[in-house]
Amino acid sequence: GAVVSQHPSWVICKSGTSVKIECRSLDFQATTMFWYRQFPKQSLMLMATSNEGSKATYEQGVEKDKFLINHASLTLSTLTVTSAHPEDSSFYICSARKRFGPGYNEQFFGPGTRLTVL
Amino acid sequence: DAKTTQPNSMESNEEEPVHLPCNHSTISGTDYIHWYRQLPSQGPEYVIHGLTSNVNNRMASLAIAEDRKSSTLILHRATLRDAAVYYCILRRETGANNLFFGTGTRLTVIP
Repeated sequence: GAVVSQHPSWVICKSGTSVKIECRSLDFQATTMFWYRQFPKQSLMLMATSNEGSKATYEQGVEKDKFLINHASLTLSTLTVTSAHPEDSSFYICSARKRFGPGYNEQFFGPGTRLTVL
Repeated sequence: DAKTTQPNSMESNEEEPVHLPCNHSTISGTDYIHWYRQLPSQGPEYVIHGLTSNVNNRMASLAIAEDRKSSTLILHRATLRDAAVYYCILRRETGANNLFFGTGTRLTVIP
């Protein structure tokens, strides 16, 4: 168990539009979900941490009004990139921390979403 | 946040063992040592983790120095599917449990 999915796996959008990315823990409940961004040939950078039912905590330099995070349930978190611009093109990866059971307190990663803004 | 240092890249021949080193001289007593790997265009995959003792699982072994200031991930027989970027990360047991990824080691497996 401990499978995390992301949807869509890739998306191409026009500059100025908004894009929503979903992150789901398929077979476990997640206390916390994390959103990362990865540019080509670079490492993952943590963007924000979200707990179910509360506001997300953003890392320094990440605009919370641009990257809206909603964590409505123990199995779903969404990241909305508002008014996307070409510089927002990146690989977005979420992870989920297990609430209990085997692998408790570990982070399990989704497969990532490739965003391309034209 | 505690920092880790890894070589940028390593090569290994297929079917041979690989030892991936990691230095973490500022590790604190409550930090777990985690290893993840990332294949191209995929999310990171958990490999192994430990606190003080050496650990083995079906994917790899983790050897932790006695002073815990360094560790080594051991792949016993490298296959072409093991070609990936391997990240050594320290995770604090308390707090937000964030993982801060360093630059990692890009492992190339030569057939």
